[in-house]
Amino acid sequence: DIQMTQSPSSVSAAVGDSVTITCRASQGINSWLAWYQQKPGKAPNLLIYLASRLQSGVPSRFSGSGSGTDFALTITSLQPEDFATYFCQQANTFPSTFGQGTKLEIK
Amino acid sequence: EVQLVESGGGLVQPGGSLRLSCAASGFSFRIYWMSWVRQAPGKRLEWVANIKQDGSERYYVDSVRGRFTISRDNANNSVSLQMNSLRAEDSAVYYCTRDSGGRAFDLWGQGTVVTVSS
Repeated sequence: DIQMTQSPSSVSAAVGDSVTITCRASQGINSWLAWYQQKPGKAPNLLIYLASRLQSGVPSRFSGSGSGTDFALTITSLQPEDFATYFCQQANTFPSTFGQGTKLEIK
Repeated sequence: EVQLVESGGGLVQPGGSLRLSCAASGFSFRIYWMSWVRQAPGKRLEWVANIKQDGSERYYVDSVRGRFTISRDNANNSVSLQMNSLRAEDSAVYYCTRDSGGRAFDLWGQGTVVTVSS
């Protein structure tokens, strides 16, 4: 199975800051990568698909980049509601697999 | 409202069985692949199984193949997961999800908790 490794595992930032979370695949996955946001006790919510395409209804301060093995999720001008855990997911190779998550905390 | 609502979770002994159900509403259920994704406490998300629009193709993660069966009823807009020979490591929140064209999961249910313990 393809291993997805996110970094950092946790990060602290202030409202208004920008933050970048990275995701590395153990082998090339083209652009078949998605990013999700999950808040405590809630289901994940799709933010980005195909590495850089913004899901309908998701604020434009979220953006994704990368292809092959290295990907990034950038959030600019952090808002209070953005503090959550973020997961990446590869969908290039069966079975689809997820990263371990990055917890974004308020500084 | 576009939504997925799971039911059927609970406490079951090792070796036991449980059937999860997911009711879809607000969208054309029959045109989507559907999946089950689970999340054990403190663990990463794990895709479990999926099923094609007409039910003709079904796929499973290795750890559940032969024990779990995914099925769907397009007439009633529902998808199910029959789980047999349950193990402690199957304990998790199970989410029903809709598979988007980008192979991402663009709609999730609220989740149902499965606990396998004696």
